[in-house]
Amino acid sequence: GDSVTQMEGPVTLSEEAFLTINCTYTATGYPSLFWYVQYPGEGLQLLLKATKADDKGSNKGFEATYRKETTSFHLEKGSVQVSDSAVYFCALTANAGGTSYGKLTFGQGTILTVHP
Amino acid sequence: DADVTQTPRNRITKTGKRIMLECSQTKGHDRMYWYRQDPGLGLRLIYYSFDVKDINKGEISDGYSVSRQAQAKFSLSLESAIPNQTALYFCATSESGTAYEQYFGPGTRLTVT
Repeated sequence: GDSVTQMEGPVTLSEEAFLTINCTYTATGYPSLFWYVQYPGEGLQLLLKATKADDKGSNKGFEATYRKETTSFHLEKGSVQVSDSAVYFCALTANAGGTSYGKLTFGQGTILTVHP
Repeated sequence: DADVTQTPRNRITKTGKRIMLECSQTKGHDRMYWYRQDPGLGLRLIYYSFDVKDINKGEISDGYSVSRQAQAKFSLSLESAIPNQTALYFCATSESGTAYEQYFGPGTRLTVT
């Protein structure tokens, strides 16, 4: 079945540092890929998405590129802020038209803590 | 007001008790989902519903049941709670056309002693 693997956490950075959180996936066909973020005490919210190979999703200074050849979707940000402290989840779903469309498969989550 | 609400937010119960977690949404979405979150395991899908008459099991449905009382309401029941059901439970909603973009409630922290 489909699966998502994220880098081990937690990740601790100083403000303005560069962030990379690795994500690789296993899936049949051509899934869509996502990053969700969970701020303390809240539910998850969609951060960015990419629906086909070589697409780059971006939002709030975060970016991730859909690399089919390496089955990866690594999250990056050039300069993190304290307010970015949260848990980040990589996820995938089958594309529209498939029977699994909308069923998200999540990675285990990576805790990010940013210090001033 | 929040678009997706969950009640209760916290609950402590004893082994063997029946418990219901409730979810309501004002987004007008047709799809609703129940997940549980455990440390180091991410979120796992328990049940999902594409509309009021369409309910499907997710990857970890054993020990749980659901009811879709209306388009806006989706309840999760634990018929006989056990300690390894201690977790954070999330309800989520989405539209059919953009089902990958799910909107999550704030979660219910359930502890079974």
